[in-house]
Amino acid sequence: AQSVTQLGSHVSVSEGALVLLRCNYSSSVPPYLFWYVQYPNQGLQLLLKYTSAATLVKGINGFEAEFKKSETSFHLTKPSAHMSDAAEYFCAVSPNTGTASKLTFGTGTRLQVTL
Amino acid sequence: DGGITQSPKYLFRKEGQNVTLSCEQNLNHDAMYWYRQDPGQGLRLIYYSQIVNDFQKGDIAEGYSVSREKKESFPLTVTSAQKNPTAFYLCASSIGHLNTGELFFGEGSRLTVL
Repeated sequence: AQSVTQLGSHVSVSEGALVLLRCNYSSSVPPYLFWYVQYPNQGLQLLLKYTSAATLVKGINGFEAEFKKSETSFHLTKPSAHMSDAAEYFCAVSPNTGTASKLTFGTGTRLQVTL
Repeated sequence: DGGITQSPKYLFRKEGQNVTLSCEQNLNHDAMYWYRQDPGQGLRLIYYSQIVNDFQKGDIAEGYSVSREKKESFPLTVTSAQKNPTAFYLCASSIGHLNTGELFFGEGSRLTVL
């Protein structure tokens, strides 16, 4: 069994400030972890993924995430927020067998960026 | 450009009517998926298909049906048996069923039942 918890359904930051979106997971086997981004009325786009290589993963648009097994966390960060980062972000987990049909999504965090 | 095309983008339905949502991909991906998205609930898997002429139920298949007659196409029918069909529906694909779990998504279809 696996699950994902995203702390905070809404996060607001000022433009230029640090972005931190939290994700904790539960998995009975070693996991693969993902962050997806969704802009209004659009599909999801992969930001980055952890598949048991480097624990610090860099993605698109300046985002990165660190896999911390001891904390069962995979938080998403970006040093400096931009207005275009406003979107909804989903953390997801799957077994390390990579079975896409077993991908479990979190409930999402909506990021607001203010001037 | 390769991608996934969903149509229609917006659809209105009266209660008791079946509707079919189209999903076409030109990525040459073997696996395709249908998800339902409701506010505050994330994405839930309805059906998935690993190869042509084969598909499996996901977590919330009741009231839905699919077919996979061609590799490129994976239409979803929302039947009158679905009690609460108003939602945003997302189609996705992956290179194979057993991969790193990376999905490619269409832009979604928003269904509203009047």
